[in-house]
Amino acid sequence: DTGVSQDPRHKITKRGQNVTFRCDPISEHNRLYWYRQTLGQGPEFLTYFQNEAQLEKSRLLSDRFSAERPKGSFSTLEIQRTEQGDSAMYLCASSRPNEKLFFGSGTQLSVL
Amino acid sequence: AQRVTQPEKLLSVFKGAPVELKCNYSYSGSPELFWYVQYSRQRLQLLLRHISRESIKGFTADLNKGETSFHLKKPFAQEEDSAMYYCALSGGGGSNYKLTFGKGTLLTVNP
Repeated sequence: DTGVSQDPRHKITKRGQNVTFRCDPISEHNRLYWYRQTLGQGPEFLTYFQNEAQLEKSRLLSDRFSAERPKGSFSTLEIQRTEQGDSAMYLCASSRPNEKLFFGSGTQLSVL
Repeated sequence: AQRVTQPEKLLSVFKGAPVELKCNYSYSGSPELFWYVQYSRQRLQLLLRHISRESIKGFTADLNKGETSFHLKKPFAQEEDSAMYYCALSGGGGSNYKLTFGKGTLLTVNP
């Protein structure tokens, strides 16, 4: 499967712990996006990279959240001091400029 | 602020019946509108975008700027159309990364 790959598929953690998710985009795509989806809602935009540059961050991305894309390839999304409200599906997508987004399968986070 | 409203959480039709999934939006400029679909146990994927003006899997959607709507239609539903459908909006002009999604409509096509 040469699509967008996300790891892990599921993560269960205790409140207050730090978690990190990884996204490997389609190799020729220079744009990478993170979205979050909670139960009964559509995906919500979190942040966007063009190559290694993080060009926009949503207000949803509090100080506890940080995303990186070193070398413009894979990306990581870290959540520090997790809270129960962080429980959600975290989706990564990638694309060429102005072309359609390809989504990964997501990482389902459960904070106990 | 941009907003997408999908008034129906659930929609159930019989095979061969017409189907229409409603989408209304709020945006001050010239938006780009999309329909995304997620089949059971599959990834979210683009179904169609209004600027392409194409029909995908028999589905069409017309942007009505007067009514600020982008309803998805298919004249004869098939069982394999059962899925979650999301309407989405972006600001256009190359900013199609920042999609605003509706809450989705779960379509069930009964045999």
